[in-house]
Amino acid sequence: AQKITQTQPGMFVQEKEAVTLDCTYDTSDPSYGLFWYKQPSSGEMIFLIYQGSYDQQNATEGRYSLNFQKARKSANLVISASQLGDSAMYFCALETGGFKTIFGAGTRLFVKA
Amino acid sequence: DAGVTQSPTHLIKTRGQHVTLRCSPISGHKSVSWYQQVLGQGPQFIFQYYEKEERGRGNFPDRFSARQFPNYSSELNVNALLLGDSALYLCASSLYGGGGTDTQYFGPGTRLTVL
Repeated sequence: AQKITQTQPGMFVQEKEAVTLDCTYDTSDPSYGLFWYKQPSSGEMIFLIYQGSYDQQNATEGRYSLNFQKARKSANLVISASQLGDSAMYFCALETGGFKTIFGAGTRLFVKA
Repeated sequence: DAGVTQSPTHLIKTRGQHVTLRCSPISGHKSVSWYQQVLGQGPQFIFQYYEKEERGRGNFPDRFSARQFPNYSSELNVNALLLGDSALYLCASSLYGGGGTDTQYFGPGTRLTVL
């Protein structure tokens, strides 16, 4: 069975500092994708970054990078130079089989000025 | 280009009633997925439709049904509403149903409250 685990219910970070949000996953499917989404208080899920199971390099998108450790089944999100607007819920998600995406419980990030 | 749109934004119903939620995907996207997000939890997969055919279904009762129209828009129907159906209902569109780099893009959601 597929599973996504986010163990940090809440995280605090000082503005302009980097922060790592943890995500571990479990799947027996050799082909899968890992996603991170941001959900502000408005409710809309905003796509941040994607990592494929066969990708050799860690994904990066601007200030976002994904620290993919396949043997450990972890896919942590790193946000560099945090901004006040980064305060939101962050969800890690696992996609297998192309049509079903499983989301973790989320981590709420608070950025302090 | 317009993103994924959903209507209505908010909805209040009473137990036992029926509700229909609507979603229009991004232009050119042929797949729509529906998710339920209960307060304090991550989204849970309900359905995916691709080219008007149901491609997958999550662990939801038969009270939940959906369909996709020739223009790729979609409706989610919930019958005999229960208090536990109160949630944010999210629609996501993708080119072919997601997978690999075929990213799902989400709409703003419909917040359903069942009294």
